[in-house]
Amino acid sequence: GAGVSQSPRYKVAKRGQDVALRCDPISGHVSLFWYQQALGQGPEFLTYFQNEAQLDKSGLPSDRFFAERPEGSVSTLKIQRTQQEDSAVYLCASSLERAGAKNIQYFGAGTRLSVL
Amino acid sequence: KNQVEQSPQSLIILEGKNCTLQCNYTVSPFSNLRWYKQDTGRGPVSLTIMTFSENTKSNGRYTATLDADTKQSSLHITASQLSDSASYICVVYSGGGADGLTFGKGTHLIIQP
Repeated sequence: GAGVSQSPRYKVAKRGQDVALRCDPISGHVSLFWYQQALGQGPEFLTYFQNEAQLDKSGLPSDRFFAERPEGSVSTLKIQRTQQEDSAVYLCASSLERAGAKNIQYFGAGTRLSVL
Repeated sequence: KNQVEQSPQSLIILEGKNCTLQCNYTVSPFSNLRWYKQDTGRGPVSLTIMTFSENTKSNGRYTATLDADTKQSSLHITASQLSDSASYICVVYSGGGADGLTFGKGTHLIIQP
């Protein structure tokens, strides 16, 4: 596709359930970022991949959050034992170059996660 | 802690009118400042990116200004259209890699016919 694709667009989970969110970046993009966006807030950084290497996971809020990009393209963000405070939109972004000053990110539409 | 503050939080204007959105930042070091447009239910889309040496940049009806001395930026929208209804997010990059972006909370703009 022409842009960053995320699936599912909406996910409703019961508290304690595990969820997996998928991101298909733009083909050939080196960098992939995950962000968490609470209602009415700006995106908050979660983690960053350069190809298949997870170079920064400093933003992951707890060890219940896990991300992978095993072949350097598609990425999955997994949240174990979901809690109500995990409810948010999870945005994925990719960029052609490594993270840096000139890095232009292209965002997906996000996955809206609601934990009941 | 690096912070980006945007004002107003929300704004309603009539179609065809101009408006200006404000962004103040306390980010150090400073590398560049970006404005994004985020339509409801969509991801942010880049409008402009400005470095320290640039004090104005235009993208169609959008004009961004930057005063690096006062650490302020503005986004001016001319002759607003209904499609301009969105959240506008100011983002400052401080360098240092992937977590070097500090996002503002955004200004929610509504254009009324």
